[in-house]
Amino acid sequence: GQQVMQIPQYQHVQEGEDFTTYCNSSTTLSNIQWYKQRPGGHPVFLIQLVKSGEVKKQKRLTFQFGEAKKNSSLHITATQTTDVGTYFCAVTTRGKLIFGQGTELSVKP
Amino acid sequence: DGGITQSPKYLFRKEGQNVTLSCEQNLNHDAMYWYRQDPGQGLRLIYYSQIVNDFQKGDIAEGYSVSREKKESFPLTVTSAQKNPTAFYLCASSMESLGSNYGYTFGSGTRLTVV
Repeated sequence: GQQVMQIPQYQHVQEGEDFTTYCNSSTTLSNIQWYKQRPGGHPVFLIQLVKSGEVKKQKRLTFQFGEAKKNSSLHITATQTTDVGTYFCAVTTRGKLIFGQGTELSVKP
Repeated sequence: DGGITQSPKYLFRKEGQNVTLSCEQNLNHDAMYWYRQDPGQGLRLIYYSQIVNDFQKGDIAEGYSVSREKKESFPLTVTSAQKNPTAFYLCASSMESLGSNYGYTFGSGTRLTVV
């Protein structure tokens, strides 16, 4: 079945440093979604990317979809302690959403 | 406010007992989903329903059962056949039945502990 590999599994940064998580697929994706889950919380939808080479920004967050639609990245500029949590990519396949393993971000003040 | 309500937030059960987790949404979404999350891991799909009175198995359906008698409700029963039931269970819904262009909306989850 459809799988997405997400790396790294963990990332520890100093507040103010940048952070990037990557999702890779062996097959071409129709779209990719990104979610954030705060510690002890539930996933919250951030964004969906559909077009090849698409780049979207939400304040300090930049989302990219690869030209071949097989990979995607989420980049956070100048992390803050409020960015702490696990970031998941997810892809739709046959009417259901399949999640990557997630990248857990911790930010040291 | 519209949203998804999962209850209870914490649930304790003895091994061998069936338990039903509640999920109710007032978003008028057609599709609903159940995921399981284990510590430090991603979300794995248990069951999903794209329309009332119909549902499909996800990747880890063994030991679970669901029903979809009403659009608003999608309860999950964890049966005694589920070998490792202790986990965080998340219910979600989406506006479109064939994946979602708007993202999934998740409930706050139920933490089930079986002793």
